[in-house]
Formats: sequence, C-alpha cells, structure tokens
Amino acid sequence: ETGVTQTPRHLVMGMTNKKSLKCEQHLGHNAMYWYKQSAKKPLELMFVYNFKEQTENNSVPSRFSPECPNSSHLFLHLHTLQPEDSALYLCASSPSWTSGTYQETQYFGPGTRLLVL
Amino acid sequence: RKEVEQDPGPFNVPEGATVAFNCTYSNSASQSFFWYRQDCRKEPKLLMSVYSSGNEDGRFTAQLNRASQYISLLIRDSKLSDSATYLCVVRGAYNKLIFGAGTRLAVHP
Repeated sequence: ETGVTQTPRHLVMGMTNKKSLKCEQHLGHNAMYWYKQSAKKPLELMFVYNFKEQTENNSVPSRFSPECPNSSHLFLHLHTLQPEDSALYLCASSPSWTSGTYQETQYFGPGTRLLVL
Repeated sequence: RKEVEQDPGPFNVPEGATVAFNCTYSNSASQSFFWYRQDCRKEPKLLMSVYSSGNEDGRFTAQLNRASQYISLLIRDSKLSDSATYLCVVRGAYNKLIFGAGTRLAVHP
C-alpha cells in the first residue's frame, strides 16, 4: 500500500543533531497530521494542516517544527531532541479538516521509529 | 478521566473463541466512532466504523450505546491473524481523532 509514505522508516539521532521526517500522500487529500505514539500510550495528535495551513498545534515543544509546502507533503523538522522524544511518529491524511461525511477517516503512513540517544 | 478508555489486556484466547472489547468515552457530544487495528510495529488501520444501530462486518460486530458512552467490538471465531492491538477511536471537534491506548489480543492455536 502506498497511499501515505514516510521516510525514513527508522532514525537514530543524538540530542544535538538536526533531522527531518518526510511524509507524502498520494490520495488527493487536503488535511495532513502528525501523531506521536510512545510505548503503551495512546496516539497523541501533534499538528494538523488543512489546505497547507496549520490549524492545530497541540502544545508541542518548539524543538519539533512542522512544514507543509503543499497538500501532498508534510515535514517534521527535529532539533535538540530529548531521549523522551523517542517514539513512533505517524503521519496521516484525510480529505479535509472540517468537511467530510460521517464515514470520513484518516489514513496512516507506516511511521518513522525515532530513537534519541 | 481519560477521553477514551480501554482495557489494555492482553486477551489471550484460543482459535475459534469469541472475544469482546469494551471502550468508554467521556465527551457526550462525540458523533463518530471507529475501531482501528494496529499490528505490531505497524501503523493503525481502520477496521470498522461504529453506527448507532450497531453494525456487522463478517466476524466483527460493533455496538454503540450513547446513553452509557460505551462502544464494543465482538470478534467471533477468532483467527491467529486477528492477533493485534485494537484501538477505540472517537472523533472529537474539528475532525480530531482521539485514540484509546488499545487492547491487545493474542490468539493462540
């Protein structure tokens, strides 16, 4: 399945590094999301972009910086992360943020498993 | 109180068993409900939506009780391939999906 792709799939970085996660969706959707999934915790919504505009920032620390150049691409720029930021970072997309039918749902990419040393 | 609560399990059941998962949600204004499935080290995938009247998809049956703010998933005739974590998901305001922590199911031969 290639509806939503993410790269890299695995990333190990030091606390002083700068890296970026990339997400691309091929579904013609207009909304894209970043989620964080830590062990034994629910998925946490981080950011939402709708038609390239950020519509949600769930009190995410500034060491995470999203970028959405167009409706198909979403980046998460990482700098000076902490070991507790180690997690699975999932990208998702949906038709749009506010519209949609009762059955509209989100489609997830495979995730980037991040380890901060 | 968590917005979406699930029994974490694990539920260990033999093949062919019937197993039920429960979920409660705190926001009475929630309108849409889903069950997602997440395999180990994979992304969540939509299993089924949950309709007010209850709905069935093969061996899977979902029920919604709005008065009790309770959602259930019943799996009949469990298969080994059903082993996964089942996530209860509620749509909040502005299409925000709120996920439960998941219930782990292990089906053994």
